[in-house]
Amino acid sequence: AQKVTQAQTEISVVEKEDVTLDCVYETRDTTYYLFWYKQPPSGELVFLIRRNSFDEQNEISGRYSWNFQKSTSSFNFTITASQVVDSAVYFCALSEESYNTDKLIFGTGTRLQVFP
Amino acid sequence: DGGITQSPKYLFRKEGQNVTLSCEQNLNHDAMYWYRQDPGQGLRLIYYSQIVNDFQKGDIAEGYSVSREKKESFPLTVTSAQKNPTAFYLCASRVRGSSYNEQFFGPGTRLTVL
Repeated sequence: AQKVTQAQTEISVVEKEDVTLDCVYETRDTTYYLFWYKQPPSGELVFLIRRNSFDEQNEISGRYSWNFQKSTSSFNFTITASQVVDSAVYFCALSEESYNTDKLIFGTGTRLQVFP
Repeated sequence: DGGITQSPKYLFRKEGQNVTLSCEQNLNHDAMYWYRQDPGQGLRLIYYSQIVNDFQKGDIAEGYSVSREKKESFPLTVTSAQKNPTAFYLCASRVRGSSYNEQFFGPGTRLTVL
């Protein structure tokens, strides 16, 4: 069955700390896609990154980096030198290609609070 | 600018009333989606539509209805049959064709039943 687990409900850090948000997924498919979205207090979900199941290369974008490991079915997200503006709820999501269900399966989200 | 608009931002409804949430996109996307978000939970799919005049039930369609008469518009009606409608509702769209494509989201409508 498809499932996305974000075990960390809430994380609090002080500015400039590094923080890692965990995401573990379950899928029956060999071709799938993983996503991270950010939901700031305004409510709108903002797309951050997509990763294909056949591409295990890690990705870095500024202070953000993502570690995809198929062996552990994880797609973790690290924010380096966190800032107050990073405070938001972060969602990990999964979609499967071959079943073409046109669905995104979301985790329950991790609320990140960055204090000055 | 291209994007998704939802209106109203806040909506209050009395029990027993139907209410319609608006979602419009000018991204020329074929597929559109409605999600419900409750506190401490992820997003749950209510309905989705891949083309005009066609739509499918998601995981929690009971008590909701939709229409897709135009490519740009995908309104959601919350009916009196929905037992617990108070929630945050998000509309999304994406290019059709592959699960590879990310969904783009609107700003959401917060519905409160009084």
